[in-house]
Amino acid sequence: TQLLEQSPQFLSIQEGENLTVYCNSSSVFSSLQWYRQEPGEGPVLLVTVVTGGEVKKLKRLTFQFGDARKDSSLHITAAQPGDTGLYLCAGARGSARQLTFGSGTQLTVLP
Amino acid sequence: GAGVSQSPSNKVTEKGKDVELRCDPISGHTALYWYRQSLGQGLEFLIYFQGNSAPDKSGLPSDRFSAERTGGSVSTLTIQRTQQEDSAVYLCASSLSVGRSGYEQYFGPGTRLTVT
Repeated sequence: TQLLEQSPQFLSIQEGENLTVYCNSSSVFSSLQWYRQEPGEGPVLLVTVVTGGEVKKLKRLTFQFGDARKDSSLHITAAQPGDTGLYLCAGARGSARQLTFGSGTQLTVLP
Repeated sequence: GAGVSQSPSNKVTEKGKDVELRCDPISGHTALYWYRQSLGQGLEFLIYFQGNSAPDKSGLPSDRFSAERTGGSVSTLTIQRTQQEDSAVYLCASSLSVGRSGYEQYFGPGTRLTVT
C-alpha cells in the first residue's frame, strides 16, 4: 500500500490545456515537496510546502498543501511541451527527514 | 555551484558479485540520503546520514546492503552478492540539516545498476 497516492498515473494533454495532479494520504506530513524527473536524470525539486493551507506559485505552476497536511495538488496552467516529465510528490513525516515518495504522474504535453 | 554527483553512471554486474556506488554531495550539505528507483515501484528510501550521528538504516532491504560516509562528505553504497532484484537506479540526495531548507533534497543523476 502506497503511503502517498498520486493521480492520475498518466496524463496526455494538448499544449495550452490546464491540468491538476493530486497527491493524497491518510497520514499527516510535516512537509511536502514536488519534484519533476526527466529520463536518465534525478528528480529536480520544484517546491516545498510546510504549512497547512499553503499555496505557492511558480510561474504557471500552482502548488497547494491541504489544511490538514495530508494532501497536496499541483496545477499547471497553459501547459507547454517543456512541462513533459514525471511529477513526483514526496513527504516527510514528523521530525524525520527521509522522504516518502508517491508513485508519480507521467505527464506528456503534445504540441 | 556543483550539484550532487554520482559514479558510475551505469554499472552492469554478474549475479553474486559485489558493487560499490559513490556519491559526492553538495558542499556544505550535512545530510545525505540514498534512494532506489525501480520500474513500477517508485522511489524508496534506503539510508540517511546526518552529520556525525548514527545513520538511519531503516530502509535497507537486506544485510547485503551497507553504506558509509567518510569525513562527513563522500558516501559509498555497497551491495554484496548482488541479485537480479537489485537492478534499479540508485539515487543519492543531499540537503542542509536545519529549518525549512532541511526538507529540500537535491538529487544526483543516479547510478543505473543492472545485475545479469
